[in-house]
Order: sequence, then structure tokens, then C-alpha cells
Amino acid sequence: AQSVAQPEDQVNVAEGNPLTVKCTYSVSGNPYLFWYVQYPNRGLQFLLKYITGDNLVKGSYGFEAEFNKSQTSFHLKKPSALVSDSALYFCAVRDSGGYNKLIFGAGTRLAVHP
Amino acid sequence: NAGVTQTPKFQVLKTGQSMTLQCAQDMNHEYMSWYRQDPGMGLRLIHYSVGAGITDQGEVPNGYNVSRSTTEDFPLRLLSAAPSQTSVYFCASSYGRTSGGYNEQFFGPGTRLTVL
Repeated sequence: AQSVAQPEDQVNVAEGNPLTVKCTYSVSGNPYLFWYVQYPNRGLQFLLKYITGDNLVKGSYGFEAEFNKSQTSFHLKKPSALVSDSALYFCAVRDSGGYNKLIFGAGTRLAVHP
Repeated sequence: NAGVTQTPKFQVLKTGQSMTLQCAQDMNHEYMSWYRQDPGMGLRLIHYSVGAGITDQGEVPNGYNVSRSTTEDFPLRLLSAAPSQTSVYFCASSYGRTSGGYNEQFFGPGTRLTVL
């Protein structure tokens, strides 16, 4: 069965420090991976995706993610965190059954402190 | 473009009542989906559609019906509301296979439903 795990419920980081939000996945076949962000009382916004190619994917708002096939991971990173990055982050994998169905992780709350 | 719109934003129902959550998109997307979001569980797929007239079940379809008579609209019907359906509901849309099939989904602002 395909699944996504986000091992941390919450990540705390000081403003200006680098941040990492972890994601591991389990799929049959090639993984197609996504990161979304949810600000309070809003819908999810797309950040970036990995389909194929370069293992380092760059996305919106200065975020990037590193795909590691051997570790089945797709960690979200940013070199210098902002207070405005505080939000709920979701990792998702496309279901191998097709039709662009997504399987989401439980989410990680990022808190950036001034 | 308005993107993906959902109505209502908030709704309180009594057990046994029925209602329809509305979703519309103006991006000519083939795919549309309904998810529910519960604390600590991420988003779970309820139903989805790959085009007008075509729908299928997701992970948690029980108690919900959908139809898709047009490309733009994808309403979600609660047949007989139960407290277990208290949740935040999100509609999403994306381009489909004709655009590669690996496209990001655009989400609506959500409907917060409480069933008493």
C-alpha cells in the first residue's frame, strides 16, 4: 500500500535559521511527490513537485526539496526561515492507480520564532 | 480567474439532515476532487472526477454522493449527516492526462461543517 509519513508533528526554528520538514514515502513504481502549504483558515497551496530529473527541486517562496530514492525521502528545506513561513505543511504522493489522486501525510506544523 | 470556489464557508447541521456543498472552478480543469481534513490525519480523498459525467470513489466515500454534469461544477452531497462527518471539506481541481497527468492540484478555501 502506498503511504506518506511526516514523522514530526511540529518543527520549531528561529527566524533566519535553515529549516527542514521531513517526509518519507512508500510507493510501487516511480514516485511523484508534492509539497503543499496551508495557512490558517485557508486552502492548500502548491509549493513544488518532483516528477523526474534533478533530485533538488526548487519551488515557491524560496523553498526547495531534496529527493532521495535510496532513503525514500523528500524533505522540504529553506536556507533562511521567515516568521511568515509559519504554517501547516503537507507532503503528498500521487497514487500509482493514476487519475492524479494524491495520498497525503498527516502534516507538520512549522513554527518560526522571531 | 476566481480559481476554485466553495460555498458555504461554514455550516451547522443536525444529525440526519442532508445538504450539498458546492464547488466550482473556472480553469477548465479535467480533474476535480473532494477531500476531508481531520486533525492529525491529513487530507483524505472522498470522491473524484476525471471529467464531466465520470466520477469514482476515493478512500472515504461512505455517506457522500457526487455528480459532475459540467466541467466547472462538482457538488458533494451529504445524504444523512452524522457527527462523524464533522470536518473541513476541500474541493480541488487540476489539469488531467492531456497535460501529462502529474499536475498540481488547486484547492478551494474549504467548508467547515459541524454535525450536531
